Amino acid sequence: DVKVTQSSRYLVKRTGEKVFLECVQDMDHENMFWYRQDPGLGLRLIYFSYDVKMKEKGDIPEGYSVSREKKERFSLILESASTNQTSMYLCASSGTGELFFGEGSRLTVL
Amino acid sequence: GQSLEQPSEVTAVEGAIVQINCTYQTSGFYGLSWYQQHDGGAPTFLSYNALDGLEETGRFSSFLSRSDSYGYLLLQELQMKDSASYFCAVQQAGTALIFGKGTTLSVSS
Repeated sequence: DVKVTQSSRYLVKRTGEKVFLECVQDMDHENMFWYRQDPGLGLRLIYFSYDVKMKEKGDIPEGYSVSREKKERFSLILESASTNQTSMYLCASSGTGELFFGEGSRLTVL
Repeated sequence: GQSLEQPSEVTAVEGAIVQINCTYQTSGFYGLSWYQQHDGGAPTFLSYNALDGLEETGRFSSFLSRSDSYGYLLLQELQMKDSASYFCAVQQAGTALIFGKGTTLSVSS
């Protein structure tokens, strides 16, 4: 069964903390993505990667960075968390077609 | 830039047919996808249209008109379990899927 696994389902962090959200896929997919989902705003693309060590900015990259050191792993980094980054974060991977999503990481920044 | 418009909410009763429309503005358009997301769950793929016309998968069908920058998802024989959010998403050249804001479908008995 195909799987995208996000390391933490729920996190609570303080303003200014560095936050790492990890995502691992077991489908040998080239493409990986990070979205954030907020009520009424749908899914907004933060960053994506088409290959190891490669990254592209999405629509809302400000305040975020990513790392793709291995094909199966794509990490989202909040260098200094702020309250407006409280959200649901969804990781996804794809081969040549549909996206497969993880279960999401709900981050609360206090 | 790009934009997608879809209704925020749709309500229907069991057994009915419902159509969720999606209009888009984008450049380098490749195709239109639809995803379903139940409360608390991950989005899951429903369908993809790259060419004009209707694609049918069981009770669900999806339509695309590239000339009108328009598509829709048609759900037939609605069931309570179809209550969910439905997202259209455009595939553009050189970038990732861009999603609409989603349509919440509520099915009542």
